[in-house]
Amino acid sequence: TLRESGPALVRPTQTLTLTCTFSGFSLTADGMYVGWIRQPPGKALEWLARIDWDGDKHYSTSLRTRLTISKDTSKNQVVLTMTNMDPVDTATYYCARTSTINWSFDFWGQGTLVTVSS
Amino acid sequence: DIVMTQTPLSSPVTLGQPASISCRSSESLVHSDGGTYLSWFQQRPGQPPRLLIYQVSNRFSGVPGRFSGSGAGTEFTLSISRVELEDVGVYYCMETSQFPYAFGQGTKLEIK
Repeated sequence: TLRESGPALVRPTQTLTLTCTFSGFSLTADGMYVGWIRQPPGKALEWLARIDWDGDKHYSTSLRTRLTISKDTSKNQVVLTMTNMDPVDTATYYCARTSTINWSFDFWGQGTLVTVSS
Repeated sequence: DIVMTQTPLSSPVTLGQPASISCRSSESLVHSDGGTYLSWFQQRPGQPPRLLIYQVSNRFSGVPGRFSGSGAGTEFTLSISRVELEDVGVYYCMETSQFPYAFGQGTKLEIK
């Protein structure tokens, strides 16, 4: 299972920090990956970032300058930070697992809604 | 970056009838390792996405047999053999062959 946590409300220009806490697998295991995806209200899914078991990181082209993904394997957590938040960043943010079994997002968290407003 | 285009964006279907959704990628999804990494997700209202199909045509664990995927290269299709009420929702294709990953815009499946 995966569970996202973080603030529900963020002010414009602030930095958002989200935590994905997971269980049932280890991010130190060869072939495991955790990614972040977001979905503005009523809109489509957008892939943001992925961190690999070996520490490699991958980012959305359009958001790469604002995103940082990291992991704390001792806590089974993946953290996503997004700087300079704007109202257009209002969305439900999901974390999800990928493995070499299927190379897709096979398990998802329930998501956390982040609203950016002054 | 790869762009994924789904058609139609909305699909009204009759219960018990078949349905299909198309997904086209702007570049071939054949990876250098020979695999094609195209997935389909279902999202019911208020729920996170659920993996249905991975690597074009493989049903994920627990997915009913009425769901199937096909295609190759840049053209892919999700098919439902007989639509049931619980299939209402939005369906997304997604490529994981190349970074950055990309989702389609989504197709809303609704009952006539």
